[in-house]
Amino acid sequence: QVQLVESGGGVAQPGRSLRLSCAASGFTFSSYAMHWVRQAPGKGLEWVAIISSDGSNKYYADSVKGRFSISRDNSKNTVYLQMNSVEPEDTALYYCAREKSADGFDYWGQGTLVTASP
Amino acid sequence: QSALTQPASVSGSPGQSITISCTGTSSDVGSYNLVSWYQQYPGKAPKLIIYEGSERPSGVSNRFSGSKSGNTASLTISGLQAEDEADYYCCSYAGTSTYVFGTGTEVTVL
Repeated sequence: QVQLVESGGGVAQPGRSLRLSCAASGFTFSSYAMHWVRQAPGKGLEWVAIISSDGSNKYYADSVKGRFSISRDNSKNTVYLQMNSVEPEDTALYYCAREKSADGFDYWGQGTLVTASP
Repeated sequence: QSALTQPASVSGSPGQSITISCTGTSSDVGSYNLVSWYQQYPGKAPKLIIYEGSERPSGVSNRFSGSKSGNTASLTISGLQAEDEADYYCCSYAGTSTYVFGTGTEVTVL
């Protein structure tokens, strides 16, 4: 069965860095684009970033462009989100999600909580 | 990348049908037939219930249906049941491999 397990969340002071990981299993990881989606406490979903199946293409939401970087290691079935210069507005539950052929996210992890606070 | 607009809340009685709208622009909803819908229970991850505007993944009840007209997509839940009480989000492809979510709708079963 498909599983996505996020880790790496925690408390980070504004301006510091944090790296999130998402370990995938149960499917051919190298065949799928992967996304990060976040949800601030009590708020809605916000798309954050996508990486293509081979890692050659990456795109970001305007709110994180230039600060966050998505990457993947297909040999480890893992996708990463490097968060630099974190801001209080980055406080959220971060989900990784598998892309269902250019439309929709068909599998989600349970999320990892990031709190940007002094 | 402005969020798509959804009503904050929609309610209905058991057995009724309700419709949730999702309004975007000609740059997202209006340009692509790539709208998906998600159901989210409190404390849980979202679940895909509609993709490509009107397609249901295997295992999703046929009480859920999707449609689109112009810049507005819609999700209809027919035969409303207590278990449908949840938050619902639309999401549209917005070009150049980017996506935008809706503001979310809380569905209450009276």
